[in-house]
Amino acid sequence: DAKTTQPPSMDCAEGRAANLPCNHSTISGNEYVYWYRQIHSQGPQYIIHGLKNNETNEMASLIITEDRKSSTLILPHATLRDTAVYYCIVRVERAGANSKLTFGKGITLSVRP
Amino acid sequence: DAGVIQSPRHEVTEMGQEVTLRCKPISGHNSLFWYRQTMMRGLELLIYFNNNVPIDDSGMPEDRFSAKMPNASFSTLKIQPSEPRDSAVYFCASRSQGGVNTEAFFGQGTRLTVV
Repeated sequence: DAKTTQPPSMDCAEGRAANLPCNHSTISGNEYVYWYRQIHSQGPQYIIHGLKNNETNEMASLIITEDRKSSTLILPHATLRDTAVYYCIVRVERAGANSKLTFGKGITLSVRP
Repeated sequence: DAGVIQSPRHEVTEMGQEVTLRCKPISGHNSLFWYRQTMMRGLELLIYFNNNVPIDDSGMPEDRFSAKMPNASFSTLKIQPSEPRDSAVYFCASRSQGGVNTEAFFGQGTRLTVV
């Protein structure tokens, strides 16, 4: 799986959008971009994933650049409960097969009141 | 569904003792993963199973660690003998292999302290 690079930390004000960047310059055509987050003392939680197109769900939006070498996770209205470590992961997906989910250091998001 | 269930939530044991961590995956999921998390090394994948068969155990640190999955609803991670450096939070996760891009669900973890 391709390697990802994330800044170690960032903060944002409560109620504002949080834009979390991720670089994956060596991503290959069949690798998807996944985001998970881990709130203190809990197990990681899936947020969103995408291949080429931008994706949105009830938790967040994922913006992937046209060359797919980077992406941004957007939390549109950050709350204090969004304070967590956010992991950007790229992995190959094939129907009927499985691939392991490898976590890097992630980015620590601190939402301030 | 109750999600991935791990037990115990906390375990304190003396160096040299055997420790067994347990995991019940989500019903219907046929992939199971064991992770270890420490401040120094972050989240490390130890081993994962597909359909109860170990696929990749390259992350298992040494022979003191062993994992089994006797059936689709139960897995164990055993450390024998335990050492202080094994102190960490151990997570179990499960996932359905049935389609593409299915998410992994994690348990709440077992916090192991070896003294």
